[in-house]
Amino acid sequence: DGGITQSPKYLFRKEGQNVTLSCEQNLNHDAMYWYRQDPGQGLRLIYYSQIVNDFQKGDIAEGYSVSREKKESFPLTVTSAQKNPTAFYLCASSAKQGAYSPLHFGNGTRLTVT
Amino acid sequence: AQKITQTQPGMFVQEKEAVTLDCTYDTSDQSYGLFWYKQPSSGEMIFLIYQGSYDEQNATEGRYSLNFQKARKSANLVISASQLGDSAMYFCASNSGNTPLVFGKGTRLSVIA
Repeated sequence: DGGITQSPKYLFRKEGQNVTLSCEQNLNHDAMYWYRQDPGQGLRLIYYSQIVNDFQKGDIAEGYSVSREKKESFPLTVTSAQKNPTAFYLCASSAKQGAYSPLHFGNGTRLTVT
Repeated sequence: AQKITQTQPGMFVQEKEAVTLDCTYDTSDQSYGLFWYKQPSSGEMIFLIYQGSYDEQNATEGRYSLNFQKARKSANLVISASQLGDSAMYFCASNSGNTPLVFGKGTRLSVIA
């Protein structure tokens, strides 16, 4: 079955450590996205990528980094520079950027930093 | 930039009744898309329904319909015959041209037996 896989489901890290969240899709989608969700805040865009080796900052990119070396993969690194990293992170993909293509989401990774 | 407003943090509905979840959007673009997603307590985001700004008819998908009022910039989700499994967070979202989806803050729907 085609879909988006995020791993792990739960992640715990100590403050000051970088951590990488995995996102893999087998939908052959061109565009991929990372959103952050905090209680009462809805989803906020961190980074997105329309094609391999290209990505753009979203609204809250500070303290995060991404790479897009393969069409199927779009890992997100939460660096120690991110002030409040504890959140629920959702990866998504769409057949093409914008153009009214619905996003398909993974099941999310809940990151807790103490 | 797009902005989505969902003014109802929480809603209650009796099982088998219909419920309307409000969504207003703010855009200067003529061509845009409107989406609704459901997020159960498990966390996954489920795409429910889509409406294009040039679509003249309101979108419908099973028990979901989108009440699109372009002049008022509103895109309310109507769920008919509510079921206990409809209890979840619901998000309205929009994009235009080449921009990523922008989401509202969501409405938590609770269906009461």
